[in-house]
Amino acid sequence: EAGVAQSPRYKIIEKRQSVAFWCNPISGHATLYWYQQILGQGPKLLIQFQNNGVVDDSQLPKDRFSAERLKGVDSTLKIQPAKLEDSAVYLCASSGGTVQETQYFGPGTRLLVL
Amino acid sequence: DQQVKQNSPSLSVQEGRISILNCDYTNSMFDYFLWYKKYPAEGPTFLISISSIKDKNEDGRFTVFLNKSAKHLSLHIVPSQPGDSAVYFCAAKISNYKLTFGKGTLLTVNP
Repeated sequence: EAGVAQSPRYKIIEKRQSVAFWCNPISGHATLYWYQQILGQGPKLLIQFQNNGVVDDSQLPKDRFSAERLKGVDSTLKIQPAKLEDSAVYLCASSGGTVQETQYFGPGTRLLVL
Repeated sequence: DQQVKQNSPSLSVQEGRISILNCDYTNSMFDYFLWYKKYPAEGPTFLISISSIKDKNEDGRFTVFLNKSAKHLSLHIVPSQPGDSAVYFCAAKISNYKLTFGKGTLLTVNP
C-alpha cells in the first residue's frame, strides 16, 4: 500500500513570495491533515479535512495560509505572502477518519524563507 | 499553554538496556494517547497507543503506561536497539478532536 505522498520535499523562497505544497493521501482515507512543525517543536495542526469539507482550521493563519481539497482526494496548502517565521516542515497526514484511527504521515516539505 | 509536555529533550542508553521516555499532560479531558517515532527527513510513524480506560498497552518490545491520576504516561523500550535511535513524540487527543503533540525526545541507543 502506497503511503502519503508530498511534494516538493524542499523549497527555498524569499519573504513575501508565495509557495504551494501538494499532498496525496493514502487511497481511501477520508480525513486529511496539514501540520506545521517548527524546529524543536512538535507538529501543530493547521487544518483538518473530512472528505472535501473543513473540520478544523482554528490554527490556520487565514490572512496568509489557504488550503483546499478538491474532490476529497489530493490537497494543496498555499502560503502567500511568506514570512520568515513560516520556515518549518509542513507535514501532511491521512486517516480513515474514525475516532481512534491512526494518522499516517508523509515525509514532509521543508520550507526555508529567507 | 503547552498541554503535552516532554521535559527531556534527549536520552542516551546502551544497547540492550531499557529506554524510558516520559510525557506529562495537563488536560484531563484527553482520552487517547499515542507515541510516534520520527527519523530524520521522514514523517512521524505511529508506534503505539493507549486509551484512557487502560493503564498499560504492550506491543513487542514497546510498552506504554498511563497514570491518569498523575497525568503521566511513559514509553518503555526493552531491549533497546540502535535502530530505535530517533525522536519520539507523545501525542494526545479528546475523542475525535485534533492531536496535540509534545516537543519530542531524541533517543540515542549506543552499540
